[in-house]
Amino acid sequence: GQNIDQPTEMTATEGAIVQINCTYQTSGFNGLFWYQQHAGEAPTFLSYNVLDGLEEKGRFSSFLSRSKGYSYLLLKELQMKDSASYLCAAMDSNYQLIWGAGTKLIIKP
Amino acid sequence: ETGVTQTPRHLVMGMTNKKSLKCEQHLGHNAMYWYKQSAKKPLELMFVYNFKEQTENNSVPSRFSPECPNSSHLFLHLHTLQPEDSALYLCASSQDGQATDTQYFGPGTRLTVL
Repeated sequence: GQNIDQPTEMTATEGAIVQINCTYQTSGFNGLFWYQQHAGEAPTFLSYNVLDGLEEKGRFSSFLSRSKGYSYLLLKELQMKDSASYLCAAMDSNYQLIWGAGTKLIIKP
Repeated sequence: ETGVTQTPRHLVMGMTNKKSLKCEQHLGHNAMYWYKQSAKKPLELMFVYNFKEQTENNSVPSRFSPECPNSSHLFLHLHTLQPEDSALYLCASSQDGQATDTQYFGPGTRLTVL
């Protein structure tokens, strides 16, 4: 079956670095997406990886290893506004997104 | 502002009511999606429309009925729902439903079934 695993909750300190991991199993693979969702709001797109390696975009970076079925989202210089849920989603061979349950990130001062 | 709007934002209904959720996208996309989001669960894809044709119906009960009159508008008609249908219903759109295009989400409708 198709499955996405990511931690339920993580806590980090303002100004620090946090890495949110995601492992996936899908029927075929057309890339890995990360979304941010603040409480009561829409998920918003953060990143898309389809090739192995690290993609950097400002304070946020996303990594993919296709051979390991693994991705991570790296958040640097954490700010209070980064408190949100981070959703990992892998796209299968039918271009459907298979979603994880999300990682709730709590930032403490 | 993501370019995808949903109304109403909140809805409370009884099990015998009939209501509709509306989604509109202003991005010129050709694919639209309905998702159900329950607490601490993954997003569940319900329906996909690509170029106004329904391409996916992921075993959704018939008490949920989608309608896509054009590529900018998507409705979800609700009737005789159950309390377990209470959830956040999210609409999304993308350029093409058969490609690796990013999906853009609306703010959702928080549905409570009494």
